[in-house]
Amino acid sequence: GAGVSQTPSNKVTEKGKYVELRCDPISGHTALYWYRQSLGQGPEFLIYFQGTGAADDSGLPNDRFFAVRPEGSVSTLKIQRTERGDSAVYLCASSLQGSDGYTFGSGTRLTVV
Amino acid sequence: EDQVTQSPEALRLQEGESSSLNCSYTVSGLRGLFWYRQDPGKGPEFLFTLYSAGEEKEKERLKATLTKKESFLHITAPKPEDSATYLCAVQAPSGNTPLVFGKGTRLSVIA
Repeated sequence: GAGVSQTPSNKVTEKGKYVELRCDPISGHTALYWYRQSLGQGPEFLIYFQGTGAADDSGLPNDRFFAVRPEGSVSTLKIQRTERGDSAVYLCASSLQGSDGYTFGSGTRLTVV
Repeated sequence: EDQVTQSPEALRLQEGESSSLNCSYTVSGLRGLFWYRQDPGKGPEFLFTLYSAGEEKEKERLKATLTKKESFLHITAPKPEDSATYLCAVQAPSGNTPLVFGKGTRLSVIA
């Protein structure tokens, strides 16, 4: 596609539920990044994929968070047993390996009630 | 630990009133410094990458400069459509190290 697509754009879930957030990167981009942005803050790194493998998952806050990219294209961020503190905008970005300037999607706004 | 500090947190300008945004950084080697623009409800939009001290880049009313410790985003004769949050990020040199972002500067340009 022309840009990075994230679905859903908004997600409201109850505390304790499981959610999946999807990212469809720009075709041909091998690098994919997940960030989380809270109100009034800059994006905070979660995990980075190079192809199908997670090259760096040091930003995942705890073991309730997990992400996959099984075919090296679409990625899914999975959050188990959601907590109110997980409420934020989850941003996905992609880039050509070694290129500059990630292209970000518009994000998924997650609200845990 | 890589750190990015942006100032001011918020800036309100009259249309045509030029100003500068600051981004101070601490990084263990710098591969690149990035500026992004973010509109409400949208993801960040790439503006510039700067690689070495002394480098400058321009786009319309925006000019970004870089020293060894900080970067400035100069806005000349801003218009209301320049209102947005401007984010600065740094990248360490090893591989595709993820960008580390600052908190941003919220710019409002009043007609």
